[in-house]
Amino acid sequence: DVKVTQSSRYLVKRTGEKVFLECVQDMDHENMFWYRQDPGLGLRLIYFSYDVKMKEKGDIPEGYSVSREKKERFSLILESASTNQTSMYLCASRSSSAVNIQYFGAGTRLSVL
Amino acid sequence: QKEVEQNSGPLSVPEGAIASLNCTYSDRGSQSFFWYRQYSGKSPELIMSIYSNGDKEDGRFTAQLNKASQYVSLLIRDSQPSDSATYLCAVLAAGGGADGLTFGKGTHLIIQP
Repeated sequence: DVKVTQSSRYLVKRTGEKVFLECVQDMDHENMFWYRQDPGLGLRLIYFSYDVKMKEKGDIPEGYSVSREKKERFSLILESASTNQTSMYLCASRSSSAVNIQYFGAGTRLSVL
Repeated sequence: QKEVEQNSGPLSVPEGAIASLNCTYSDRGSQSFFWYRQYSGKSPELIMSIYSNGDKEDGRFTAQLNKASQYVSLLIRDSQPSDSATYLCAVLAAGGGADGLTFGKGTHLIIQP
């Protein structure tokens, strides 16, 4: 079974803090993604990566950065957390094969106070 | 701009009946299509994938694809209260889509006992 593991299910942080969200996948997938999900807005792509050290902006990258130093790990960084970044954050991974199934982690519910 | 459209619902269906969920997409070159189920507070889980025109059945679930009409549907037979969830339609663009799947905002399905 493919496993995408996010380091925390729930996080509470203060405004201005630097926040790290970690994601690890065990299926040697080339592609990894970070989304946020808010009621009524659906899944919105923040950043994605198609290879080690490669990163591309998604639809809403402002206020976020990412790091992919190893193939299995993709980190999302909130440089200075703000209350409008309170959300559910979902990591996903997918191979580049024809099957192309995208697997999600359990999600991190982040609250910024 | 790639778009995936779904009726947000809620769609209310009596227990034991057939639930029919629909999705349209804008990118005519899309190659792969997926249905995810998401329970409240949880991450999306894949329930069906379909890659060619026609029907694909898996247990109580049937996915239908019509590329000419750019239309995907999901039928759930003998609906159970445990099927109550939000169903996300997702589409992969031609060329593999390094930026991942494009998701609809989801249809909220309620199965009434």
